[in-house]
Amino acid sequence: EIVMTQSPATLSVSPGERATLSCRASQSVSSNLAWYQQKPGQAPRLLIYGASTRATGIPARFSGSGSGTEFTLTISSLQSEDFAVYYCQQYNNWLLTFGGGTKVEIK
Amino acid sequence: EVQLVESGGGLVQPGGSLRLSCAASGFTFSSYWMSWVRQAPGKGLEWVANIKQDGSEKYYVDSVKGRFTISRDNAKNSLYLQMNSLRAEDTAVYYCARVTDDYVFYFDYWGQGTLVTVSS
Repeated sequence: EIVMTQSPATLSVSPGERATLSCRASQSVSSNLAWYQQKPGQAPRLLIYGASTRATGIPARFSGSGSGTEFTLTISSLQSEDFAVYYCQQYNNWLLTFGGGTKVEIK
Repeated sequence: EVQLVESGGGLVQPGGSLRLSCAASGFTFSSYWMSWVRQAPGKGLEWVANIKQDGSEKYYVDSVKGRFTISRDNAKNSLYLQMNSLRAEDTAVYYCARVTDDYVFYFDYWGQGTLVTVSS
């Protein structure tokens, strides 16, 4: 099983500031990594796939980078609607695994 | 518009069974792999099972193997999860999710989820 570790667990950011979220895989997943956003009481929403490709309708302030075992999700200028929990997910093998999540909260 | 609507959740005793359903619309259901993903209260996401378009391939997380069965009825545009021998640790919101592409297992659409509570 590939273990996905996200850091930090909680990130306190002021609106308009930049947020940088990290995701580490216990072994290489190539670029087979997706990011999701989840707000309270809602289903997850796909943000990024292929480590760096934005999903349809996702604003340009969201960007993904990395390959192998180290990945980053950057939100360039946080808007009020961006405060949520973010999960990474590897799909390099059939045993799909998610990270534990990073909660982005208002500072 | 793609829609996934889960149903069938509820309260069940340990050792009991439950069958979840997911009604799909707005896309050609028979052309996509489908999955179940769950989320325990206050916890993160856990993939549960995948099923191929024609049902010929199925994959499960180890913790549910032998207890859960994923299936589909393409004529009814429906996905199912039969859950037997339920345990307290199966308590979660269960989401139905569409796999974006063949053997590229990330999820572009999700239902709103159905809550399963296993408790005596």
